Amino acid sequence: DVKVTQSSRYLVKRTGEKVFLECVQDMDHENMFWYRQDPGLGLRLIYFSYDVKMKEKGDIPEGYSVSREKKERFSLILESASTNQTSMYLCASTSGGAGTDTQYFGPGTRLTVL
Amino acid sequence: AQSVTQPDIHITVSEGASLELRCNYSYGATPYLFWYVQSPGQGLQLLLKYFSGDTLVQGIKGFEAEFKRSQSSFNLRKPSVHWSDAAEYFCAVGATGGSYIPTFGRGTSLIVHP
Repeated sequence: DVKVTQSSRYLVKRTGEKVFLECVQDMDHENMFWYRQDPGLGLRLIYFSYDVKMKEKGDIPEGYSVSREKKERFSLILESASTNQTSMYLCASTSGGAGTDTQYFGPGTRLTVL
Repeated sequence: AQSVTQPDIHITVSEGASLELRCNYSYGATPYLFWYVQSPGQGLQLLLKYFSGDTLVQGIKGFEAEFKRSQSSFNLRKPSVHWSDAAEYFCAVGATGGSYIPTFGRGTSLIVHP
């Protein structure tokens, strides 16, 4: 059974803290994604990676960075967390073309920044 | 660029009633179309997808969707809703030709009354 795991289900951080969200997939997928989900706005792409050490900005990359040192792991980094980054963060992965293949999602991390 | 519209933010149905969730897309060529479901506190799970062939697609959990090119629609249906179908539903459109990123609609929240 395919699996995408995220390091935390719930996270509470303070403004200005550096925050790491980890995502691991066990399907040997090339592509990995970080989305942000907010009520009424759906899913918005922050960053994606199509290979180790490769990354591309999505629609809302400001305030975020990513790291992909190993194929199975994709990290989202908030360099200095702010209250407007309070949100649900979803990681996903897919093999081949993400525009055509099924995306497999993790359970999400609900981040609250105080 | 592709886009997706889910016109209904919330839909309320009674258990046992039929369901139709609307999705309209904009894309110049033949799209890849997806419906995902997100149960409370969970990540997204694929219900079904379409990219060619029969325009009526069967998915998991008794759902089906029909691709209508003339109307640029890909509506999701279920003949009899169960209480466990209460969830958020997302339509997404993907693309071929090297595009890696599908575009998601804003989602429709399904409420099921007993």
